Amino acid sequence: DAKTTQPNSMESNEEEPVHLPCNHSTISGTDYIHWYRQLPSQGPEYVIHGLTSNVNNRMASLAIAEDRKSSTLILHRATLRDAAVYYCILTNAGKSTFGDGTTLTVKP
Amino acid sequence: NAGVTQTPKFQVLKTGQSMTLQCAQDMNHNSMYWYRQDPGMGLRLIYYSASEGTTDKGEVPNGYNVSRLNKREFSLRLESAAPSQTSVYFCASKTFTGTGELFFGEGSRLTVL
Repeated sequence: DAKTTQPNSMESNEEEPVHLPCNHSTISGTDYIHWYRQLPSQGPEYVIHGLTSNVNNRMASLAIAEDRKSSTLILHRATLRDAAVYYCILTNAGKSTFGDGTTLTVKP
Repeated sequence: NAGVTQTPKFQVLKTGQSMTLQCAQDMNHNSMYWYRQDPGMGLRLIYYSASEGTTDKGEVPNGYNVSRLNKREFSLRLESAAPSQTSVYFCASKTFTGTGELFFGEGSRLTVL
């Protein structure tokens, strides 16, 4: 199974951009890159996903490397409510496996 | 919209007791998943059902059994609970494609004494 590698933790100041990296060097051609976040005492929630091209939605942007072996989740202006654990996962039609994610701390 | 519903939300068991966690989704999703999350850790996949009628082991299947009762329902059974199974359990569902996002239930907090 393709795995992802993320830093354990990152810090950001409020209202500054945040770039959360993810390495997935063993990604297969059919794997989509998905990002989820988990707020304290809640289940994970979907943030964004992509296959090859960069993607934008109301929550974030996803930048995917040309060789697809890495990606970056971009929060354009971090707020205190963005403090959470962020998971980068590879998913296809079957199994969806999470790693330990990156804990994002946002400082006021 | 109910989404993904898990029951019970909380349960305390004694070692050796059995119980079943229930999960139902109303989004007509093909695929359903059971994860566990220990304190301070990420989610680990226990079992999944890519489509109705199929189930497969995930990363940590030992000590658990599952049943895909129909397209809506996917249950997780602990036959003989152990303290190591104390965890928060999440059920999730999605469409049977790589683009489908996972929808999670609120979680079931299980304590085994």
